[in-house]
Amino acid sequence: GIQVEQSPPDLILQEGANSTLRCNFSDSVNNLQWFHQNPWGQLINLFYIPSGTKQNGRLSATTVATERYSLLYISSSQTTDSGVYFCAVGVREGNEKLTFGTGTRLTIIP
Amino acid sequence: DAGVTQSPTHLIKTRGQQVTLRCSPKSGHDTVSWYQQALGQGPQFIFQYYEEEERQRGNFPDRFSGHQFPNYSSELNVNALLLGDSALYLCASSFYVMKEQFFGPGTRLTVL
Repeated sequence: GIQVEQSPPDLILQEGANSTLRCNFSDSVNNLQWFHQNPWGQLINLFYIPSGTKQNGRLSATTVATERYSLLYISSSQTTDSGVYFCAVGVREGNEKLTFGTGTRLTIIP
Repeated sequence: DAGVTQSPTHLIKTRGQQVTLRCSPKSGHDTVSWYQQALGQGPQFIFQYYEEEERQRGNFPDRFSGHQFPNYSSELNVNALLLGDSALYLCASSFYVMKEQFFGPGTRLTVL
């Protein structure tokens, strides 16, 4: 099956800093989603981005499908950005299961 | 617009028991997928239900079974619980012809 790798595994930043999280995948995808998992376990949808670039406030994401990677950018980090960020992909047309990466744990220090 | 809801929030069982977890999809969604997330790992796909049928299944034993009701809500049943079944169980809903999935808050299962 498809392999999904995320880097870095851990990231500790001062409040106000910017960060880039990377997701590499081993096959062509038809679905790519970025999630933020909060300390209570809730997975919050950040982006649905199988290709191209999107922005939502301080967050933006870019997926280069031909090169099989996606990047999540977080600017002016806040303590509420802390948590685990997951990239998840689907490889078939239609409603395919999601395969998740191992996540990046982001800690923002006040 | 209510999001995906799951019940119960937490559950404690002993080895060998059976458990049923419940999920109500987001309004307008017709497909429910279940995922298991062990501590420190990413969620792993269990199975997906659409039109009251299991459409896809991950690498989980037959002890894991499910059901979808006409109102699109779903149940996950696990029989003969093992210690290794302790995990966060996540339900995701979507509209079948679309791809984006939305997750509920999860049920945290502890098996003693």
